[in-house]
Amino acid sequence: EVQLVQSGADVKTPGESLKISCKGSGYTFSRYWIGWVRQMPGKGLEWMGSIYPGDSETNYSPSFQGHVLISVDKSISTAYLQWGSLQASDTAMYYCARRGYNSGEAFDIWGQGTMVTV
Amino acid sequence: QSALTQPPSASGTPGQRVTISCSGSTSNIGSNSVYWYQQLPGTAPKLLVYRNNQRPSGVPDRFSGSKSGTSASLAISGLRSEDEADYYCAAWDDSLSGHVVFGEGTKVTVL
Repeated sequence: EVQLVQSGADVKTPGESLKISCKGSGYTFSRYWIGWVRQMPGKGLEWMGSIYPGDSETNYSPSFQGHVLISVDKSISTAYLQWGSLQASDTAMYYCARRGYNSGEAFDIWGQGTMVTV
Repeated sequence: QSALTQPPSASGTPGQRVTISCSGSTSNIGSNSVYWYQQLPGTAPKLLVYRNNQRPSGVPDRFSGSKSGTSASLAISGLRSEDEADYYCAAWDDSLSGHVVFGEGTKVTVL
């Protein structure tokens, strides 16, 4: 079964750092882009950025560039989203999603989400 | 890079047809495929439509997508109670390489 499994919920105080993870299985992880999507409480979906595990090429939304870092360890099929200094406004659910080729580059597989509370 | 424009809400009674609109620009919807995602309460989004009007395996044919120019729409026919959810459109945006833009989301209520 193709799936993305994310790390568990986390509670932090402002100024702390955090790294959340997204582990892929059931497919060749290195060949598919992984995107990160934020959903603030009661709000819509916002694309934050994406990474290609094969060569670590990364794209960021201007809204998130410089505030988060997206990385990957393809040897363990895991992508990461990290903050150096969290703010209260970072409180949100964060989803990782695979960009699928058979679905016209849509985000076809989603993780279950990681709730971050600051 | 602005979000795509969707109505905040839509509603219908069981069996009715509901349509959700999604408006963008020449750099996103006008140049690229449109996707639709369904988010049931408390769950992760799920791909509903890709390449404007294609359905992934398992998605009922009650859901249909279309696109014209810089606008797109999702129609739900034969509305059912389990269709009550948030629906988001999305498209790649050519203004910045590899960038995705989502719609603001539409809450569908089954009366």
